[in-house]
Amino acid sequence: DTAVSQTPKYLVTQMGNDKSIKCEQNLGHDTMYWYKQDSKKFLKIMFSYNNKELIINETVPNRFSPKSPDKAHLNLHINSLELGDSAVYFCASSQGGYSGNTIYFGEGSWLTVV
Amino acid sequence: QKEVEQNSGPLSVPEGAIASLNCTYSDRGSQSFFWYRQYSGKSPELIMSIYSNGDKEDGRFTAQLNKASQYVSLLIRDSQPSDSATYLCAWGGYSSASKIIFGSGTRLSIRP
Repeated sequence: DTAVSQTPKYLVTQMGNDKSIKCEQNLGHDTMYWYKQDSKKFLKIMFSYNNKELIINETVPNRFSPKSPDKAHLNLHINSLELGDSAVYFCASSQGGYSGNTIYFGEGSWLTVV
Repeated sequence: QKEVEQNSGPLSVPEGAIASLNCTYSDRGSQSFFWYRQYSGKSPELIMSIYSNGDKEDGRFTAQLNKASQYVSLLIRDSQPSDSATYLCAWGGYSSASKIIFGSGTRLSIRP
């Protein structure tokens, strides 16, 4: 019974395309996140939603647009993909927006832009 | 720029020995500290969290926090091959708008 699930797990696409990654959590958490991990393993937060409200929006190109239809789902849409977007994208969730709470990660979506 | 610094390694430790991982952070306002373990090709998973100065023990793992010196460490006793992974240090502030900042991780290899 996967707690945080995201799809697709692997995605290979060409430059300029638009793609989406979907995420769902069944932990009953009210905060969800998107993190990006580059080839050097650096894990950086992109967005955070608390009860469908955007609370953290890091310096991310506006080609990236998150959407949270409800507190159990957080999707990420990426327009006009570039080579530098190749990375692993992790969805995550926690109970509450307080940063002292444990973050639970999904399995990751490996995005390769060619 | 709030940062977390870790030795990227790789750190090689013989099986059965103590592995010591260190992390320094730049923001004195940090309140919450975490160690995550990430196996190759997998997602990070929480190993330890620590909020107060001193030591916190959980099985073979001990987290140590020194807020005055702005460092946090993780000791792994009786290291096992299954401990071979990348260990990510992370810290967070103390508000609902705070975010958790991750270090770049230390790769640990336990040699038989």
